[in-house]
Amino acid sequence: GQSLEQPSEVTAVEGAIVQINCTYQTSGFYGLSWYQQHDGGAPTFLSYNALDGLEETGRFSSFLSRSDSYGYLLLQELQMKDSASYFCAVGGRDDKIIFGKGTRLHILP
Amino acid sequence: DAMVIQNPRYQVTQFGKPVTLSCSQTLNHNVMYWYQQKSSQAPKLLFHYYDKDFNNEADTPDNFQSRRPNTSFCFLDIRSPGLGDAAMYLCATSRDVGLAYEQYFGPGTRLTVT
Repeated sequence: GQSLEQPSEVTAVEGAIVQINCTYQTSGFYGLSWYQQHDGGAPTFLSYNALDGLEETGRFSSFLSRSDSYGYLLLQELQMKDSASYFCAVGGRDDKIIFGKGTRLHILP
Repeated sequence: DAMVIQNPRYQVTQFGKPVTLSCSQTLNHNVMYWYQQKSSQAPKLLFHYYDKDFNNEADTPDNFQSRRPNTSFCFLDIRSPGLGDAAMYLCATSRDVGLAYEQYFGPGTRLTVT
């Protein structure tokens, strides 16, 4: 089976840096994705890591350690519009991914 | 712009009355997915199509059916909606085999069951 663990909520201050962790257990692991979802909106793809290391896309970075079954999403220079839920998701051999329960990010002015 | 479109955005149906939700895509992607998402929960995969090949999740109730008549369109049929089926239904696509990690979602249809 597959399972993912991520914190249910994280709070940070505007302009700061925040890290959202994700640990997973899965067979046939292919990679770890991250999605952002604003209230009432649809999930939006942010990043994907298939190999160990850090991937940077603007203010967002994502990290993967396959040996530790662990990854994180790093958000820098936080803006109020970054207030959303963030889901990690693992992909296996078939054409689907399984989402974690999501982390709700609260940003304080 | 290429996109995933879902209609209607809001759907109200009566308990036990069949309802169909529709999804179309202009991305020409081979894989289409249907997810159910309840408040403050993760999207839950119901089934997906790779081209015309249908893949049902083991825990998807028989009450949920799907059709994909062509590459662009996919439908979700709920044969006898119950109160527990009230949720947001999300359609998504991915370009091809092995690219499920990057999915493009439609805006969703919020289903209310009265």
